[in-house]
Amino acid sequence: AQSVTQPDIHITVSEGASLELRCNYSYGATPYLFWYVQSPGQGLQLLLKYFSGDTLVQGIKGFEAEFKRSQSSFNLRKPSVHWSDAAEYFCAVARRWGDKIIFGKGTRLHILP
Amino acid sequence: GAGVSQSPSNKVTEKGKDVELRCDPISGHTALYWYRQSLGQGLEFLIYFQGNSAPDKSGLPSDRFSAERTGGSVSTLTIQRTQQEDSAVYLCASSSEAGLAEQYFGPGTRLTVT
Repeated sequence: AQSVTQPDIHITVSEGASLELRCNYSYGATPYLFWYVQSPGQGLQLLLKYFSGDTLVQGIKGFEAEFKRSQSSFNLRKPSVHWSDAAEYFCAVARRWGDKIIFGKGTRLHILP
Repeated sequence: GAGVSQSPSNKVTEKGKDVELRCDPISGHTALYWYRQSLGQGLEFLIYFQGNSAPDKSGLPSDRFSAERTGGSVSTLTIQRTQQEDSAVYLCASSSEAGLAEQYFGPGTRLTVT
């Protein structure tokens, strides 16, 4: 069965510092990959998605993610975080087009002033 | 119209009672998902409707849970004989293609079973 692992439950970084949130998936073939953000009191918003092609994907709010097949990873990065980035981040995966989308347990990001 | 809507926004029920949660997807969206979000558990997949295909019910935790989607639009998630462990936020999402375009999430229904 496909699964998504986000190893870090909580991450704390200082404002202006770089950020990397980890995501690993278990499915052998190249799945379809997503990152979502859930800000306090807000609904879930899509940050970016990877289907095929260039393995470095640009998203909204200055985020990017890199698909690494050899590591079964799809880590989310941002060069310089802002206090408004404090939120919970979810990685999600679908095995193939039209299949259900499964979410990881999330990583809560805390920003130090 | 606007985004995905869910009702009620909050529901408090007594253990053993049945509840119905409603989701109105964005008009024209063919795919509809139900997820459950509990503290520390992320988003747990429950069920997935795609067009006229048979729904993927593989995430439903027990036979107390069921869902239907009428006319390819509105969906109702029903929980029978609620238990305290059913307390969670139930989220609905819809998307315009076969489940892999951007999912638009509703605000959720917070269910509390006392």
